[in-house]
This record gives sequence, structure tokens and C-alpha cells, in this order.
Amino acid sequence: GESVGLHLPTLSVQEGDNSIINCAYSNSASDYFIWYKQESGKGPQFIIDIRSNMDKRQGQRVTVLLNKTVKHLSLQIAATQPGDSAVYFCAENNDMRFGAGTRLTVKP
Amino acid sequence: DTEVTQTPKHLVMGMTNKKSLKCEQHMGHRAMYWYKQKAKKPPELMFVYSYEKLSINESVPSRFSPECPNSSLLNLHLHALQPEDSALYLCASSPYHRLAGGNEQFFGPGTRLTVL
Repeated sequence: GESVGLHLPTLSVQEGDNSIINCAYSNSASDYFIWYKQESGKGPQFIIDIRSNMDKRQGQRVTVLLNKTVKHLSLQIAATQPGDSAVYFCAENNDMRFGAGTRLTVKP
Repeated sequence: DTEVTQTPKHLVMGMTNKKSLKCEQHMGHRAMYWYKQKAKKPPELMFVYSYEKLSINESVPSRFSPECPNSSLLNLHLHALQPEDSALYLCASSPYHRLAGGNEQFFGPGTRLTVL
């Protein structure tokens, strides 16, 4: 069936660098997307969302980009900090299911 | 109060035991969810309640029995579980069933279940 999936299972960056986490989706009818962060031993935490009538949305140190043409979503984290180390999931509204997730590790 | 609480935090049970997981939210959300998460895997949707009625059952085995006694509470009754059911069980809530802008899910910390 249609699903949300991620390109890379792991990402390792140096503290202070920018991080980019990617996500592909296949349901062209999806009109709302969410990024979650899950730290070890905790439940997923909402980071940022975007509607399909937008191609970019910015939060505090995070930016989500949406490319509907290629059905691709990305999460950019500026000046990555050790506290950003976690697993990041994307999800979309037509389906409350999660993609595989990307584990971000920030090296000091 | 913007929190989803779950009890217990940890649970160890034998295959013949009966136990229950509890979830509570006081945000006035009308949709509540159960997810199962195995190590290094994404959360898997199990059940969705909308306005206290079961809306989605993702073909979950009958040894898992959900219950929504009122709009703030969600239970998951466990009976005759198998060792492979050991996992983190996450509860979530959202204002309404269909996710949309301003309707994102809030997750609890989960219950770590071990079946011996």
C-alpha cells in the first residue's frame, strides 16, 4: 500500500553543522505532513508540520521543505546540537502511520 | 495541561496473566490512539478511537482489547500475550481523528512491556 518512507536510516553530523533528513511519500492525495522527534525512552514529539499548499515552513532552528512534484519532504536543522540526537519520523494525514525513521547522531 | 500520561511505565507479565495499560489526557481531545513500537522500529498503529468509539483496528490479535471508558481515558487490556508482544506501547491523542493543521498528535511516554 501507499506509505511514507525515509531515504537514510542513520545520519551523523558534527555539532554546529546543519542536518538534512529526507522523507519520500507516495500518496499524492496527502495534504498535511508532520515531523516527529523521538528521544531514547520517550514518545514521539511533534516538531513541525506543513500543509500541501506550502512548500516551506520555518520554526525555531528547523525548516521543512515540501516538493509535491517528486513527493519529497525534508527536515533541515540549523546549528545541530547534541540535544538534537534522536530518531526523526515523518508522517502524513491520510495515514497515521510512520515511516522507518532516521537516527540523527550529533558528535561534539 | 498538554500532556498525555501513561501507566505503568514498565510492566512485566507472564503469558497467562491479565493486565491493563492506561492512558489519560485532559486536553479535550476526541481522538485517541494505541501504537506498538519494537526496538529500532517506527511506531505501528494498533487502534484509533474517535468520540469514544473504535474507529480503526489494524487487524490486531484479540489478546489485545482496547477500551475507551470516557473521552479522557483509554485502556488496553492484555490477556494471554506472547513473548513477541514485548514492546513499547504508546498512547496518543489529537483534537480530531483526521490529522490536519492544528490537529497534530500528542504522545505519551509509553509503557515498556515485557512478556515472559
